[in-house]
Amino acid sequence: DVKVTQSSRYLVKRTGEKVFLECVQDMDHENMFWYRQDPGLGLRLIYFSYDVKMKEKGDIPEGYSVSREKKERFSLILESASTNQTSMYLCASSTELDIQYFGAGTRLSVL
Amino acid sequence: QQQVKQSPQSLIVQKGGISIINCAYENTAFDYFPWYQQFPGKGPALLIAIRPDVSEKKEGRFTISFNKSAKQFSLHIMDSQPGDSATYFCAARPEGKLIFGQGTTLQVKP
Repeated sequence: DVKVTQSSRYLVKRTGEKVFLECVQDMDHENMFWYRQDPGLGLRLIYFSYDVKMKEKGDIPEGYSVSREKKERFSLILESASTNQTSMYLCASSTELDIQYFGAGTRLSVL
Repeated sequence: QQQVKQSPQSLIVQKGGISIINCAYENTAFDYFPWYQQFPGKGPALLIAIRPDVSEKKEGRFTISFNKSAKQFSLHIMDSQPGDSATYFCAARPEGKLIFGQGTTLQVKP
């Protein structure tokens, strides 16, 4: 069965902290994505990666960076967390067939 | 040009009724249009998808209608059930990534 695992379901951090969100997929997919989900705004793409060590900016990359050192793992990094980054973060992976498989999400609160 | 506009934001339907969610896009280069369903506490999951060379696709109670000239597509849920209560997202693909609509929260009342 397809599985995308996000390391934390809930996370509370303080303003200015460096935050790491981890995502692991077990399907040997080339493509991985990070989105944030906010009410009324849908899913907005932050970064994506087509291969190991590759990254592409999505629609809202400001304040975020990513790392993909291994095919199965894609990390989202908030260099200095701010309150406007309080959100639900979703990781997804896909093959060329374009079906994206999502993790359950990490709800991040920045205080 | 890269936006997908989805409406309504929320929808309440009686059990057995038809739920209709609409999406519109501007970029004619979009070549794949999926719908995702998300239950509370879960990530979105692919529900049904269509490519622009067909005008309709049906899978069980779920149908996508696609109007290429109007650049619109919609999801119809026939005989809506309380178990269909969820958030629905339309999306469109340009160049290997997906652009999602704003989402519609559907509540089906028993």
